[in-house]
Amino acid sequence: NAGVMQNPRHLVRRRGQEARLRCSPMKGHSHVYWYRQLPEEGLKFMVYLQKENIIDESGMPKERFSAEFPKEGPSILRIQQVVRGDSAAYFCASSPDRGPETQYFGPGTRLLVL
Amino acid sequence: EDKVVQSPLSLVVHEGDTVTLNCSYEVTNFRSLLWYKQEKKAPTFLFMLTSSGIEKKSGRLSSILDKKELFSILNITATQTGDSAIYLCAVRRDDKIIFGKGTRLHILP
Repeated sequence: NAGVMQNPRHLVRRRGQEARLRCSPMKGHSHVYWYRQLPEEGLKFMVYLQKENIIDESGMPKERFSAEFPKEGPSILRIQQVVRGDSAAYFCASSPDRGPETQYFGPGTRLLVL
Repeated sequence: EDKVVQSPLSLVVHEGDTVTLNCSYEVTNFRSLLWYKQEKKAPTFLFMLTSSGIEKKSGRLSSILDKKELFSILNITATQTGDSAIYLCAVRRDDKIIFGKGTRLHILP
């Protein structure tokens, strides 16, 4: 059973470009969480999704950020018009049920905005 | 505002020493407290605590929760260089997890 997969592992974008981060949950997991980790900071919750539904997006910035988890395919975190402050590690986690305690983390995508 | 505060933020000890990492929290609708170890990549789960006073143990690591005083500690005995990592404390509130900033632990050989 492969773990949570994220790609790309590293992403470099220039200011103003779009960044698309992908997360494939573990087999059998239908709950996905996205977190952002800034240097020297802990992980900050961004959004919680189930298949085709956003359950809690209270941690998402109001503009430029969006997330989806379609019926087929990976979950996508999309950042439009990236700025330098978006540079961070973005982690995805998946769980088999509603309890985030059972979540498994992916290896993260490190985004660098030039 | 919900918060999870860890101390110390960083710690350097010699191999063989015992360390205690602290985590205090103020979170509404508390469900559970979790500890993770983060090396270079993804956090890996260590413990989940829901009840006060019940120690969880795994090898040289142990943890306990005090829901009255709103804190938890993580103990590591006979530390090894492989214990060097960031240790994250997190609290579940509703369906999301709120993380502290972590304690960066470095074990000197």
